[in-house]
Amino acid sequence: RKEVEQDPGPFNVPEGATVAFNCTYSNSASQSFFWYRQDCRKEPKLLMSVYSSGNEDGRFTAQLNRASQYISLLIRDSKLSDSATYLCVVNKSNYQLIWGAGTKLIIKP
Amino acid sequence: NAGVMQNPRHLVRRRGQEARLRCSPMKGHSHVYWYRQLPEEGLKFMVYLQKENIIDESGMPKERFSAEFPKEGPSILRIQQVVRGDSAAYFCASSPGSGGDEQYFGPGTRLTVT
Repeated sequence: RKEVEQDPGPFNVPEGATVAFNCTYSNSASQSFFWYRQDCRKEPKLLMSVYSSGNEDGRFTAQLNRASQYISLLIRDSKLSDSATYLCVVNKSNYQLIWGAGTKLIIKP
Repeated sequence: NAGVMQNPRHLVRRRGQEARLRCSPMKGHSHVYWYRQLPEEGLKFMVYLQKENIIDESGMPKERFSAEFPKEGPSILRIQQVVRGDSAAYFCASSPGSGGDEQYFGPGTRLTVT
């Protein structure tokens, strides 16, 4: 089993739709969780950290379920500019982050 | 506050040559990470360094690859005797501390070996 698993993609979604990404992790001791986005041929950029209580930033909502070792990212009212690969990231130790393979999102007009 | 800087952005080397990739972390960050990304693949961890110390190099090939983060100056990823399979994007990231802090990435160096 992979340490961090994400939905295989790509997701093809019409503009304005809501899209949800799921991610599971294997290390129950993990304490830090993040979502990054990566545009084609660019560096990954931090989208949001994920907190136990869940957090929201505009159209983006992240949730954490420690019992199920599951993280989600919800994007509402999707825009063309949301097209990217979304990476789920979990800490393995006190310094090492484990990166999911990413889920590619394609927003269609 | 400048972000993570990497240079060069693009590097072309012939097989057998050496490649040197540089990374300057964000101001105030003392933790540096190097990743490699092949086309259409995910990020692969290579090495984690603090000033003058290699903390974890478990993701780095044992031969031809080395990394350093001197007391003064940028972190350097060095690839000796490059081969075609080394062609990839190499990203550097920095964080303010360890403890699973979020990492901030530089724009990457795209290495092409001809």
